[in-house]
Amino acid sequence: EAGVTQFPSHSVIEKGQTVTLRCDPISGHDNLYWYRRVMGKEIKFLLHFVKESKQDESGMPNNRFLAERTGGTYSTLKVQPAELEDSGVYFCASSQVPGGLGDTQYFGPGTRLTVL
Amino acid sequence: KNQVEQSPQSLIILEGKNCTLQCNYTVSPFSNLRWYKQDTGRGPVSLTIMTFSENTKSNGRYTATLDADTKQSSLHITASQLSDSASYICVVTPYSGAGSYQLTFGKGTKLSVIP
Repeated sequence: EAGVTQFPSHSVIEKGQTVTLRCDPISGHDNLYWYRRVMGKEIKFLLHFVKESKQDESGMPNNRFLAERTGGTYSTLKVQPAELEDSGVYFCASSQVPGGLGDTQYFGPGTRLTVL
Repeated sequence: KNQVEQSPQSLIILEGKNCTLQCNYTVSPFSNLRWYKQDTGRGPVSLTIMTFSENTKSNGRYTATLDADTKQSSLHITASQLSDSASYICVVTPYSGAGSYQLTFGKGTKLSVIP
């Protein structure tokens, strides 16, 4: 069974440019999560999809970030325009059952974003 | 504010030795606590999961303990191997009846096992 995949693995862009990150969850997982780790800090929650609907987007830092999950399969996270403080590693995770003991979130390898 | 604090920040041990990593949390109410292993360049992988009513959970050479009264957890690694070199992250799921499943992460302990 294929795990969670993310593309690209690395992205280097200049301040003001736009970047789109993609996440393909494990097949059949309705729940998809985006997280971010800024250097020196802990991983932090960004948002949670259930199928194509945003269940919780309280962790999104500002309106420069836009997440979509059309059709309830893969998801994209767009940053427009990118700022220096957006640099970090963006993780995607998916799970079958949200919360509780039944929910094991499987993480992708992350996308390392560097904004110059 | 929900927080998860881990110690030590980093640790170097000889192959074959045991070690214990610590996690203190202030997350309340609390649903479950997990320990994740993150190899360099990879995403976190779940090692153990415990609810507030469980005191210990083992997964091979990994044993996690939980004291819900003092809000402390530990991860004990027995007979360490070179492949145990990674970051170990303590993650707490707050209890929420509103459908939110935000995980609260610690910064992790970076473990290096040397020959």
